[in-house]
Amino acid sequence: GAVVSQHPSRVICKSGTSVKIECRSLDFQATTMFWYRQFPKQSLMLMATSNEGSKATYEQGVEKDKFLINHASLTLSTLTVTSAHPEDSSFYICSARRITGGLLNTEAFFGQGTRLTVV
Amino acid sequence: GENVEQHPSTLSVQEGDSAVIKCTYSDSASNYFPWYKQELGKRPQLIIDIRSNVGEKKDQRIAVTLNKTAKHFSLHITETQPEDSAVYFCAASPRNNDMRFGAGTRLTVKP
Repeated sequence: GAVVSQHPSRVICKSGTSVKIECRSLDFQATTMFWYRQFPKQSLMLMATSNEGSKATYEQGVEKDKFLINHASLTLSTLTVTSAHPEDSSFYICSARRITGGLLNTEAFFGQGTRLTVV
Repeated sequence: GENVEQHPSTLSVQEGDSAVIKCTYSDSASNYFPWYKQELGKRPQLIIDIRSNVGEKKDQRIAVTLNKTAKHFSLHITETQPEDSAVYFCAASPRNNDMRFGAGTRLTVKP
């Protein structure tokens, strides 16, 4: 299957600082990537849809000024958590979908996730 | 938007027994329904998927059924093994790119 790489896998930062998380599709081009947040023992909550060359689409309740998303190329999307607070501590995971045989609605490949701890 | 509900939240079975997880969705436009398995601390991995033009799909011990009229789909695991223990997520995709997940089911297979 396709490979999506996410970096870093773990990060600890101080309150008030910003953290950047990268998501790369290694062997395919992804015009759209997705960012999810997962609390312990809970489901994957869609935060935003990252579109290459245009603004991200944020889900209701997600602050776009706090979670900055940039999709500068067909293989890279970044999520920056600005002015992080302890309540932002969570598992953040990205995914990308590959167009297969003209089918747009296909399997999503996930990055390995980033465990963010804000102290 | 699409809303996916998943039941049960936890499921414990004896090795060799079958396990069934059920999901419902709200958006009749959804046409793609994948199931993901997530082990602790790892990324979700696709185990099986089904499209709206198919009612059932099977892959060895795993099968998925879809009832479009009722807007529900189910995952069936037969002859369960301890390594099947994980959290399973269903999802529904109403558009070309969007994907919404159920709350997850923690499956425990007791040896």
